[in-house]
Amino acid sequence: GAGVSQSPSNKVTEKGKDVELRCDPISGHTALYWYRQSLGQGLEFLIYFQGNSAPDKSGLPSDRFSAERTGGSVSTLTIQRTQQEDSAVYLCASSPPGVGNQPQHFGDGTRLSIL
Amino acid sequence: GQQVMQIPQYQHVQEGEDFTTYCNSSTTLSNIQWYKQRPGGHPVFLIQLVKSGEVKKQKRLTFQFGEAKKNSSLHITATQTTDVGTYFCGSNSGYALNFGKGTSLLVTP
Repeated sequence: GAGVSQSPSNKVTEKGKDVELRCDPISGHTALYWYRQSLGQGLEFLIYFQGNSAPDKSGLPSDRFSAERTGGSVSTLTIQRTQQEDSAVYLCASSPPGVGNQPQHFGDGTRLSIL
Repeated sequence: GQQVMQIPQYQHVQEGEDFTTYCNSSTTLSNIQWYKQRPGGHPVFLIQLVKSGEVKKQKRLTFQFGEAKKNSSLHITATQTTDVGTYFCGSNSGYALNFGKGTSLLVTP
């Protein structure tokens, strides 16, 4: 079946511009996560959505970052007034419902470059 | 959240040699998940450990969870070039998964 789909795959923009990244989770997956991976670094948790519950925004690095999930499916991550330190690969993951912690299925990511 | 530290950061082996990466925490972990990320790819789930002292095997890969649930290891026997990539461990804090920085494995033929 289809995996997690992210778009665009690459985004180059100028410092100060706003960017919007999109994630289509696997159908039926109720949990959705956003992570940031800088070059040679680990995965930094940003935000988590579970069904209709309030999202866990504890990982968002600043108020320039926001995310929403419409209809419990597609999610968008918005970065306002981008800075050069925002350059990274932004990964989305989803996981199915179930008892306990479920495996996360990752998309291919959006490589964001801020000039 | 539950912080996990991974060592080593890099490992370079000859094909056929064994490889081990370690994941350590100062606090008791609820679980450990292991992922593999090939160069240019995205993380792929390998396995989850939840029980004290648990050992699981997948072909040449052996995963262990410590008795105190504060550490875990991934051991690969007789590495192959297809094992190249970065191996991440992660542990849940609520629904968020806190990842270690990963161990990058390079295998020379």
